[in-house]
Amino acid sequence: QSALTQPASVSGSPGQSITISCTGTSSDVGGYNYVSWYQQHPGKAPKLMIYDVSKRPSGVSNRFSGSKSGNTASLTISGLQAEDEADYYCCSYAGSSTHVVFGGGTKLTVL
Amino acid sequence: EVQLVQSGAEVKKPGESLKISCKGSGYSFTSYWIGWVRQMPGKGLEWMGIIYPGDSDTRYSPSFQGQVTISADKSISTAYLQWSSLKASDTAMYYCACGVGSEYFQHWGQGTLVTVSS
Repeated sequence: QSALTQPASVSGSPGQSITISCTGTSSDVGGYNYVSWYQQHPGKAPKLMIYDVSKRPSGVSNRFSGSKSGNTASLTISGLQAEDEADYYCCSYAGSSTHVVFGGGTKLTVL
Repeated sequence: EVQLVQSGAEVKKPGESLKISCKGSGYSFTSYWIGWVRQMPGKGLEWMGIIYPGDSDTRYSPSFQGQVTISADKSISTAYLQWSSLKASDTAMYYCACGVGSEYFQHWGQGTLVTVSS
């Protein structure tokens, strides 16, 4: 069982917006502003999409946005495109003993 | 351009030792954290540990502490992940990745597939 809880799957139609949640505790998501999100296409390495809760690395589309409220972080993808279909993982700093934990991953299907 | 190039796929028997590598280029190797992530077949990502090559400060996930060793040779800009005695359950894709901070990974290697089977 992963430390952070994500829905197993979400889906949306092209052009729509979807949100993926990531629920942790006050020892990880809720305790630090160090939530990141990764996109992984089948057979490929993960790609950083969001870091420090809501910052986007250079080159990542502004259709991707992140937020956090209490112990739950969220990734929102607006204007869904076929190329967004992938697995998405949240990640959070969890203190000096555990350091970093991942969520179990969410499979996004673009209908 | 930051690049992380990992060593090739490995097929090993249970009980054997293994050391896989990850060579960084295009950035100051001693100024970025570099770490390892496991992905078992059909499963999610698992954070294993991280090292700061500048001073060899190393952190491990409790799940992997004592099971693997992470090291780095800054003279050749290469990080390593090693096992002293492999198990079938170590079969997985292993990714190296690096970042300015230790809390997230900005750049990723292509992955090294490790298969452990008798």
